[in-house]
Amino acid sequence: DTAVSQTPKYLVTQMGNDKSIKCEQNLGHDTMYWYKQDSKKFLKIMFSYNNKELIINETVPNRFSPKSPDKAHLNLHINSLELGDSAVYFCASSQLLRGRTHEQYFGPGTRLTVT
Amino acid sequence: EDQVTQSPEALRLQEGESSSLNCSYTVSGLRGLFWYRQDPGKGPEFLFTLYSAGEEKEKERLKATLTKKESFLHITAPKPEDSATYLCAVQAFSGGTSYGKLTFGQGTILTVHP
Repeated sequence: DTAVSQTPKYLVTQMGNDKSIKCEQNLGHDTMYWYKQDSKKFLKIMFSYNNKELIINETVPNRFSPKSPDKAHLNLHINSLELGDSAVYFCASSQLLRGRTHEQYFGPGTRLTVT
Repeated sequence: EDQVTQSPEALRLQEGESSSLNCSYTVSGLRGLFWYRQDPGKGPEFLFTLYSAGEEKEKERLKATLTKKESFLHITAPKPEDSATYLCAVQAFSGGTSYGKLTFGQGTILTVHP
């Protein structure tokens, strides 16, 4: 059974377009994340939602807008795509406890190519 | 700002040749240090969490250790299927708005030849 799933797996689009990536987790976790992995394989956090509330919002262009309709879903919408947005985007989830944090489980990634 | 540096960037081993990967970190206060394995075209796969200096965790041919400044991932008698990128990440104690934030290193690409 898939724990964290993302759609689509590949996304090829032109500059200026708007696109969305969807993420779903069936682990019962209360927190979900979006990460960006660049061409050098460096993973960097973008956003995090805990119980549908935005708790992490790194320095990301406001063309990127996350939306969490419920605890099991976190979508990422990107407006006016630019060449520099080309990367692999990973969704992750975890159970967040104040005293100690649990490991994050990652989805398979969405490879976005902007031409 | 939290920083994580992994070395070496790439490591080539012969099957059965044991070695170690290093993860050096700088954080205001360590909440947890995580090791992940990433295969090409896939998402990172969780391996270990270490919480305090002196802690050790083992899984098959892998053993992770932690000091106050660095962590090591020891690979004993590796096999070709251990080939992957190994990622280290830290989570720091910080304000309430940063719960769960992981800061990753750049990874070590491990290749094990038969």
